[in-house]
Amino acid sequence: SQKIEQNSEALNIQEGKTATLTCNYTNYSPAYLQWYRQDPGRGPVFLLLIRENEKEKRKERLKVTFDTTLKQSLFHITASQPADSATYLCALMGGGADGLTFGKGTHLIIQP
Amino acid sequence: GAVVSQHPSRVICKSGTSVKIECRSLDFQATTMFWYRQFPKKSLMLMATSNEGSKATYEQGVEKDKFLINHASLTLSTLTVTSAHPEDSSFYICSARGLAGGSYEQYFGPGTRLTVT
Repeated sequence: SQKIEQNSEALNIQEGKTATLTCNYTNYSPAYLQWYRQDPGRGPVFLLLIRENEKEKRKERLKVTFDTTLKQSLFHITASQPADSATYLCALMGGGADGLTFGKGTHLIIQP
Repeated sequence: GAVVSQHPSRVICKSGTSVKIECRSLDFQATTMFWYRQFPKKSLMLMATSNEGSKATYEQGVEKDKFLINHASLTLSTLTVTSAHPEDSSFYICSARGLAGGSYEQYFGPGTRLTVT
């Protein structure tokens, strides 16, 4: 069955450093991979989408890589700030009208 | 990014009653809308997928007669939890997908916290 793995434990990073989150998947060939941010009691907020034929995508302090051979995506936040503290969700989607399949998320804590 | 609204944000109802949740895409036409539920510290679980004007497709284990979905237009979908029970208490989140720049970007509403007493 399809499986998406994200670090289930909280990730503590010092302010100003780069935070790197990992998303691994098995038994899946996604057409797109998306990263979302979710704060407690709120819906996920879309951050970045990367396609299967793209290696890397950037948006301001965010960078996502997508390695379909390793079946892995890395999500980087550079110059991290306490306001970046949240749960970050990795989600995969096949082609067509498939719904997103989500990982459990990684709770990121940026310490001042 | 695109805006998706959900109403109400919180609802408390008595066991046996029905609750309707509305989801609207405010600034784009959603080709597809999705409904998820999320339990505390758990991932989002897809309940159903709906396209405008057609019947929703439910995920395995989701009762279609209990969770009624209506997708009346390209900007509005509703989820009705019928004969709600305490175990239906959860965080329900809708999502709308539209074609943007050749990719399917999916945006989420703020969620509805349902508590059944």
